[in-house]
Amino acid sequence: SAVISQKPSRDICQRGTSLTIQCQVDSQVTMMFWYRQQPGQSLTLIATANQGSEATYESGFVIDKFPISRPNLTFSTLTVSNMSPEDSSIYLCSVRSDSYEQYFGPGTRLTVT
Amino acid sequence: KNQVEQSPQSLIILEGKNCTLQCNYTVSPFSNLRWYKQDTGRGPVSLTIMTFSENTKSNGRYTATLDADTKQSSLHITASQLSDSASYICVVNKAAGNKLTFGGGTRVLVKP
Repeated sequence: SAVISQKPSRDICQRGTSLTIQCQVDSQVTMMFWYRQQPGQSLTLIATANQGSEATYESGFVIDKFPISRPNLTFSTLTVSNMSPEDSSIYLCSVRSDSYEQYFGPGTRLTVT
Repeated sequence: KNQVEQSPQSLIILEGKNCTLQCNYTVSPFSNLRWYKQDTGRGPVSLTIMTFSENTKSNGRYTATLDADTKQSSLHITASQLSDSASYICVVNKAAGNKLTFGGGTRVLVKP
């Protein structure tokens, strides 16, 4: 199994600012993903974080708003840029193992005021 | 459109009782179906993964069933405990592209 940690676990930010969320995995993984979970909703995929190349974004999500870095096989960051109250959500990092098991981090709870 | 529908949206059960959650999907082509448990304030944790050929899979007091012909799955919780209070999410993996489609979840509250 993969153990995933995220920093920060929660934050309260002012609109117009940016927040970078870090995701660290205890083993090398091929596939890493970032999800958003809005209050009372299920998970929505933001993007697939590709090691050594640009992330692959889902419809409705753009790089300017959610820039992603993945410098190696155990670490990734997601930045939420120019935040508005609509960005208040839980952001989750996820990884997929070779056995197709998919693991999720504990999430970062973001509140934008 | 690839969808995963769960029912009920929420339910309340008494400690020690059993309950069954339902999941219907239209995702195609199908690769596998997963049930996750998500405690409040935490990320989802996998309970079971079932492929096309598997009808039943158990994980402790959790038993999942899959009928790939009717595209239905269920999660049965036996002898519920207070710690079973959580959201249970049905997730279907499409065979092409490795994309997961998430259901809306069933929120379970176990009362003493």
